[in-house]
Amino acid sequence: KAGVTQTPRYLIKTRGQQVTLSCSPISGHRSVSWYQQTPGQGLQFLFEYFSETQRNKGNFPGRFSGRQFSNSRSEMNVSTLELGDSALYLCASSLQAHSYEQYFGPGTRLTVT
Amino acid sequence: DQQVKQNSPSLSVQEGRISILNCDYTNSMFDYFLWYKKYPAEGPTFLISISSIKDKNEDGRFTVFLNKSAKHLSLHIVPSQPGDSAVYFCAASARGNAGNMLTFGGGTRLMVKP
Repeated sequence: KAGVTQTPRYLIKTRGQQVTLSCSPISGHRSVSWYQQTPGQGLQFLFEYFSETQRNKGNFPGRFSGRQFSNSRSEMNVSTLELGDSALYLCASSLQAHSYEQYFGPGTRLTVT
Repeated sequence: DQQVKQNSPSLSVQEGRISILNCDYTNSMFDYFLWYKKYPAEGPTFLISISSIKDKNEDGRFTVFLNKSAKHLSLHIVPSQPGDSAVYFCAASARGNAGNMLTFGGGTRLMVKP
């Protein structure tokens, strides 16, 4: 069974631009979560979607948004990029509504210049 | 306010010996704990987990111990192998969460020397 896939793997953007990252969960998984990893803050929860509904949101500004499609694929969008948004963005999928184990993709490395 | 802490940023052990990675938490609502391993340029890989109703869970070379009164858990790797060299993250999930949300510690870099 294929794992979680994320596209693109690497991205370079300029301050003020916006970016959209994509995640395809493991087949059959309906929950998709997004995390941001930075050297200073570690791994931080962004938001989680289940059946196209956002169920949880972390402590991030409104510039960070996401959505989930009917096939469980998810996208996250960051508008008005700032230098501090440079990070590894990780997507994780879970089988059920309350599955503790999450399976992570390889991440998208975003660099903002 | 860090709810999950891994106080040792790095740990070095000899091949064949035991590796012990520690994790402390403050939120008494956490009821499930997980360990993930992460190699550079890859996403975290799930290793082992434990529910708060247990105090030990074992899977091959990996054992996780939970001490609820001390709000402390540890991961034991026996015997350690060079391929175990990676960053290890402790994560926790809280009862009553509307969904699947993990709170991670800062990670411990394990280096296993041949």
